[in-house]
Amino acid sequence: GAVVSQHPSWVICKSGTSVKIECRSLDFQATTMFWYRQFPKQSLMLMATSNEGSKATYEQGVEKDKFLINHASLTLSTLTVTSAHPEDSSFYICSARTLAPYEQYFGPGTRLTVT
Amino acid sequence: AQSVTQPDIHITVSEGASLELRCNYSYGATPYLFWYVQSPGQGLQLLLKYFSGDTLVQGIKGFEAEFKRSQSSFNLRKPSVHWSDAAEYFCAVGGTGNQFYFGTGTSLTVIP
Repeated sequence: GAVVSQHPSWVICKSGTSVKIECRSLDFQATTMFWYRQFPKQSLMLMATSNEGSKATYEQGVEKDKFLINHASLTLSTLTVTSAHPEDSSFYICSARTLAPYEQYFGPGTRLTVT
Repeated sequence: AQSVTQPDIHITVSEGASLELRCNYSYGATPYLFWYVQSPGQGLQLLLKYFSGDTLVQGIKGFEAEFKRSQSSFNLRKPSVHWSDAAEYFCAVGGTGNQFYFGTGTSLTVIP
C-alpha cells in the first residue's frame, strides 16, 4: 500500500516552454502533497506544500509564478514549470501524506532537463 | 531551529562488514524520525521510522536504528552489509505538522 506515482519519469524540454509533472497517490487519499527538488549529490529541498482544494504554500525563495502547483483532488497534484530555463533542470520528487501516521510516501521522481 | 545533521558525507565499507550511519537532529517537539534510502535516479524508499515506544526500531532489508533522546541521535545500523546496499541514505525528522527536515545524506559504497 501507500504507492505514489509520478509522470513522466523523465522529460526534456526546450527553454521557454512549460512542462507539467503529475503526482498521484494510487491507493490512498492524500490530504497533503509535497514537492521537492533535488540537485545532484544533494538533499531534498522542499519547494511547496499543497492541500487539496486550496492554494499551495511555497517555501521562501521558490517562485510561485514559475512553479505552479495544483492539488485538484485527494489523489492528484501537478507541478507546472513555466517558461523553463536550463537552471530549472533538476530531479523533482513529490510525496503524499495522510493525516496520520505523519509519514510521507515518496514518488519515484521526475528528471527534468531543459535545453 | 529544526535541522538534521548527517556528519558523514561518504562511507565505504567492505561487503559483510557492519555499518553505522550517523544522524543527529534538532527539533523543538517530540520528533518523528525516519531513514530513507535512494538509489541513483530513483525516489526515496522508507527503511524505518520511529514515532514512540521501543527506541530500537527494526526496518526493512535488515536495517535497524536506535533513538537516543539524550544524544538527539537516530543512528542507522546493519550488521552485515550487502553490495546491493550501496546507495544514498537520508535521515529525516518531522512532527505532527507538515514539514519534514532532511539531512544532507550519506553516500554508501560497498567494496567486495
